[in-house]
Amino acid sequence: NAGVTQTPKFQVLKTGQSMTLQCAQDMNHNSMYWYRQDPGMGLRLIYYSASEGTTDKGEVPNGYNVSRLNKREFSLRLESAAPSQTSVYFCASSETDGTGELFFGEGSRLTVL
Amino acid sequence: AQSVAQPEDQVNVAEGNPLTVKCTYSVSGNPYLFWYVQYPNRGLQFLLKYITGDNLVKGSYGFEAEFNKSQTSFHLKKPSALVSDSALYFCAVRGWGGGNKLTFGTGTQLKVEL
Repeated sequence: NAGVTQTPKFQVLKTGQSMTLQCAQDMNHNSMYWYRQDPGMGLRLIYYSASEGTTDKGEVPNGYNVSRLNKREFSLRLESAAPSQTSVYFCASSETDGTGELFFGEGSRLTVL
Repeated sequence: AQSVAQPEDQVNVAEGNPLTVKCTYSVSGNPYLFWYVQYPNRGLQFLLKYITGDNLVKGSYGFEAEFNKSQTSFHLKKPSALVSDSALYFCAVRGWGGGNKLTFGTGTQLKVEL
């Protein structure tokens, strides 16, 4: 049982380049999330998808787009990367009812030069 | 808006001693509270949660947390610390009616020394 799988694990981009972070979960969870983790700031929610076919902005959505491709997959796209987007990105999933815990992927470390 | 405060960036404790990692929260309505642990270069792992009921919640690896509504706190505790408990600990809160949006604290680095 793989849980939540993120790819790639590491990526270096130049300013202005685009890329997509992929996430897939095999737990049949309805809700999926993208967080970024920065030193001293904890985890901040970028976007989330409460269920297949829906997406909503989180705390820091600017510069990002998401796609809930199906129930399993939730991708995060950076259209024009900026140095401020250098961070560690985590995908997570959970049951829908709000009381369930989040299951996290291993993270994707992105550096924008 | 909901928020979480972890007032200590780092907590140092000797192995075998009790440990406490502090967390206070602000939320509308009844809170759903969580603790997660992160080991180096890994994702976050769930430790325990408070939804309703008994104020003392027991979780993984011998950890427990006490919900105190009057002090809006949810401190993480363990009676006897292990060196292997050294990690980054995050408290998180979700307010009733807040959907699935979980707000995290900034994290507390726990260092357990021999």
